[in-house]
Amino acid sequence: NAGVTQTPKFRVLKTGQSMTLLCAQDMNHEYMYWYRQDPGMGLRLIHYSVGEGTTAKGEVPDGYNVSRLKKQNFLLGLESAAPSQTSVYFCASRPGQGAGTEAFFGQGTRLTVV
Amino acid sequence: QQQVKQSPQSLIVQKGGISIINCAYENTAFDYFPWYQQFPGKGPALLIAIRPDVSEKKEGRFTISFNKSAKQFSLHIMDSQPGDSATYFCAASHTGTASKLTFGTGTRLQVTL
Repeated sequence: NAGVTQTPKFRVLKTGQSMTLLCAQDMNHEYMYWYRQDPGMGLRLIHYSVGEGTTAKGEVPDGYNVSRLKKQNFLLGLESAAPSQTSVYFCASRPGQGAGTEAFFGQGTRLTVV
Repeated sequence: QQQVKQSPQSLIVQKGGISIINCAYENTAFDYFPWYQQFPGKGPALLIAIRPDVSEKKEGRFTISFNKSAKQFSLHIMDSQPGDSATYFCAASHTGTASKLTFGTGTRLQVTL
């Protein structure tokens, strides 16, 4: 049982380059989320999805786009990377509506933009 | 606007001591309050969680105390062990907003021998 898997685990980008981060979950969860983690700032929500084909903006969506074409996958795209997007990115999934449901996190993607 | 405030930023506790981390929230619509534990290079993992209709929840050495009127909740780690050294995040979510978790800024706990 893999849970939540993120690829890649590490990546270095040059300013202006684009990339896509992939999140895959095998728990048949409805809700999926992308967070970024920066020192002293905790985890901040970038985008989220409440089901296949849906996406919505979180707290810090600028510079990112997402897609959820399949229920098990949630993609995070950076069209033109900036140094401010250097961060550790975490994907999470949750069964669905209802208080008290556990969110499961992936291992993270460490992205450096130079 | 930070909806969940966490303190302290870092904490050093001797082995066998009690670790206490505090959080305060602003949104009274929050209905789920989890604590996550994160080790270096890993993703956060659920440690313990509480609903607002309960004032305390205990699981082994870990206890959440919840004060609804003060809008505060805290994590107590009894008999702290070196293996507890990690970063701890409090969080809160509301069912009506896709159960999005709002996190505190984290507390780095170091348990010394």
